[in-house]
Amino acid sequence: DAKTTQPNSMESNEEEPVHLPCNHSTISGTDYIHWYRQLPSQGPEYVIHGLTSNVNNRMASLAIAEDRKSSTLILHRATLRDAAVYYCILRERTGGTSYGKLTFGQGTILTVHP
Amino acid sequence: DTAVSQTPKYLVTQMGNDKSIKCEQNLGHDTMYWYKQDSKKFLKIMFSYNNKELIINETVPNRFSPKSPDKAHLNLHINSLELGDSAVYFCASTRGQGSTGELFFGEGSRLTVL
Repeated sequence: DAKTTQPNSMESNEEEPVHLPCNHSTISGTDYIHWYRQLPSQGPEYVIHGLTSNVNNRMASLAIAEDRKSSTLILHRATLRDAAVYYCILRERTGGTSYGKLTFGQGTILTVHP
Repeated sequence: DTAVSQTPKYLVTQMGNDKSIKCEQNLGHDTMYWYKQDSKKFLKIMFSYNNKELIINETVPNRFSPKSPDKAHLNLHINSLELGDSAVYFCASTRGQGSTGELFFGEGSRLTVL
């Protein structure tokens, strides 16, 4: 499985933007970049995913480097509810032998200060 | 309506007992998963079923036996429970085995083996 590297922890102030980096230098052309987050005592929650182009949804934006070896999850205005562990994961495209499974790393613990 | 529901949410039992955790999804998805999150918070995939067929078995001890009576249900039965089985078990589902879209996770079932 391709690996991702994330900082162990990051801090932010409420209502400020947060940029969560992820390195995936061994990404293959068939891997999608997924981000999930896990709030305390809850199951992981999907945030966003992309392949090559930058993506936006109601929760966040995903900026993908041109060579796809890194990506950044952007929370435009952090709230206290965004405090969670954020996971950057590579998911193999259709037809891959991993059957689309998600392999979680250690993630980044995001702390949001009031 | 809860998309992916697990029961029970909490389970405390003695070593050597046999227990089951049930999972149901009402999303019409074909693929379901069991993940284990240990005390160090690492999330590891255990099993995946696609339309009642086992497609991923991540070298889990054969004391763990998943069963999928239909594509909306994936249950996990554990025989001869050991202390190391204490963890939070998460069920998840996604559209199909080749899907690159999001996984939906349940809230987890916390198993404590005494």
